[in-house]
Amino acid sequence: EPEVTQTPSHQVTQMGQEVILRCVPISNHLYFYWYRQILGQKVEFLVSFYNNEISEKSEIFDDQFSVERPDGSNFTLKIRSTKLEDSAMYFCASSEMGGETQYFGPGTRLLVL
Amino acid sequence: GENVEQHPSTLSVQEGDSAVIKCTYSDSASNYFPWYKQELGKGPQLIIDIRSNVGEKKDQRIAVTLNKTAKHFSLHITETQPEDSAVYFCAASKGGYSTLTFGKGTMLLVSP
Repeated sequence: EPEVTQTPSHQVTQMGQEVILRCVPISNHLYFYWYRQILGQKVEFLVSFYNNEISEKSEIFDDQFSVERPDGSNFTLKIRSTKLEDSAMYFCASSEMGGETQYFGPGTRLLVL
Repeated sequence: GENVEQHPSTLSVQEGDSAVIKCTYSDSASNYFPWYKQELGKGPQLIIDIRSNVGEKKDQRIAVTLNKTAKHFSLHITETQPEDSAVYFCAASKGGYSTLTFGKGTMLLVSP
């Protein structure tokens, strides 16, 4: 069964450093999303992406964040200058054309020290 | 924006009992309501969903009900098994490729 994959599974970084989280969505899906989950809290929407541009973004997704689809398979989330409060589990999700169902990857646990 | 409330936050049941998790939503434009199961260290996995044109949907031991007038929906798990132990999240969206708004999650513990 096709699935969303994410790398790395864990990332530890120093405050102020840049991190790139990578995702490979399900191959025939066209809509891509990033969510995050701070420990013990609900899953929160960050950004959605379609046709090589951002469709929607939340208040969390400020100028420190960016997304990119550098090739036909990868979808990345970049945090330019990490802050302590960026520590969270980051989930990538994808859905097919016209599909409401979003399929989530296993997540990347980011720890900012 | 949409706000989804979920309760209880924790639920302990004996194996074989039923479990019910309830959610309410605020935006009457929401019309798609998925439920996700998250096991430790893994991403949310879709287990069942319901759209606003139906009031109930069932898949083996799992069922979801929706009351659009009251803006609430519920997950019912019958004949619970230890492997049902996980965190369950409800969510709501306006359909299509709209974003999902999640509830805070319910930790379900099924004791043998």
